Order: sequence, then structure tokens, then C-alpha cells
Amino acid sequence: KAGVTQTPRYLIKTRGQQVTLSCSPISGHRSVSWYQQTPGQGLQFLFEYFSETQRNKGNFPGRFSGRQFSNSRSEMNVSTLELGDSALYLCASRFGPDYEQYFGPGTRLTVT
Amino acid sequence: KNEVEQSPQNLTAQEGEFITINCSYSVGISALHWLQQHPGGGIVSLFMLSSGKKKHGRLIATINIQEKHSSLHITASHPRDSAVYICAVLKAAGNKLTFGGGTRVLVKP
Repeated sequence: KAGVTQTPRYLIKTRGQQVTLSCSPISGHRSVSWYQQTPGQGLQFLFEYFSETQRNKGNFPGRFSGRQFSNSRSEMNVSTLELGDSALYLCASRFGPDYEQYFGPGTRLTVT
Repeated sequence: KNEVEQSPQNLTAQEGEFITINCSYSVGISALHWLQQHPGGGIVSLFMLSSGKKKHGRLIATINIQEKHSSLHITASHPRDSAVYICAVLKAAGNKLTFGGGTRVLVKP
């Protein structure tokens, strides 16, 4: 079974631009969660989608948004990029709420 | 104070040594995860546990719900075990993962 895939793997953007990251979960997994990892703050939860509905949201500004499609693929969008948004963005999928999460390789975003 | 605290932050061991990483949390949880992150970023889930003890190869994870404490043990450590180990708790309220700061482990040959 293929693992969680994320595209692109690396991205360089300029302040003020917007970016869209994509995550394809393991086949059959309906839950996708997104996380941000920075050297200063460590790993932080962004949001979780289950069957196309946002179930949980972390403490991030409204510039961070996401969605999930009917095939469980998920995208996250960051608008009006700031230097502090430079981070590794990880997504993880699981079959359901009480199941283990499987992480993708991450997208490394650099904002200049 | 962080809701999830790990110790030590850094650990250096000689190949073959027994390693213990500790995780304490202050919130009600439904499960606790131990994750491994190698340089380059990829995260692997090692264990998900809500009680007792789990073993996988040379790795053992234990949790004491009453004391809000978990440990990850690596027996007969090997240089390939060098990585950052992260404890994460699934909060009972809200079903969100909250992460510890990680323990950087270096195993020298």
C-alpha cells in the first residue's frame, strides 16, 4: 500500500504571496491532519479533516486554511505569506479517530 | 509550562547501551504516541498506546496513566537509532495531537 504523499517537497515563495500544499492519504484513510514544524515552536497542530469536514483546528491565524476532497486528498493554503511561515509542513492520515497516524515526508516551505 | 515535557533534550550513547527517554504530560489524554524523526524530516510513528506497555523489536514503550508519564526505551542501541524522538499526546478533549519538544539521540559506534 502506498504511503502518504505530499507535493511539492520543497517550495520557495516571497513574502505576500500565497501557497497551496497537497497531501494524498493512504488509500482507505478518511482523516487527514496538518502540522507545522519550526525550530522555535516545534511541531504544532494546524487542522484535521474527516470526510471533507474540518473536525479540529489549532491556534493559527485565518491565513491558514484547508480543505478535503471526496477522494480524501487534502490541500492547505497559506495566504499573504510571512517570513515566519517558513517551516516543514507535515500531513498525516489515519483510518479514523482511534487509529494510528501515518506521516508524509513533508513540504519544506521557505519564505524570502 | 508546556503540556508535554520530554527529558532529556539531548542524549549521547555508545553503541549497545540502554537508552531511556521520558515524557510527562499535564492534560487528560486518550492516547500517547512516540514518533521518530530522522534528519531530512520524515516522521515515523513508533507506538500508539493508552495503557501498559508495547514492544517492537528493540523498542519498548510504557505508560502510567495515573502518573501521567511515559517512557521509551531502546535496548542494545545502534548508530541507526540516532534520530529525534518525539512524544505526542492525543488530548481527550478536542482530539488534537500536542507534541513534546523532542529528544535528540546520538548513538556513537
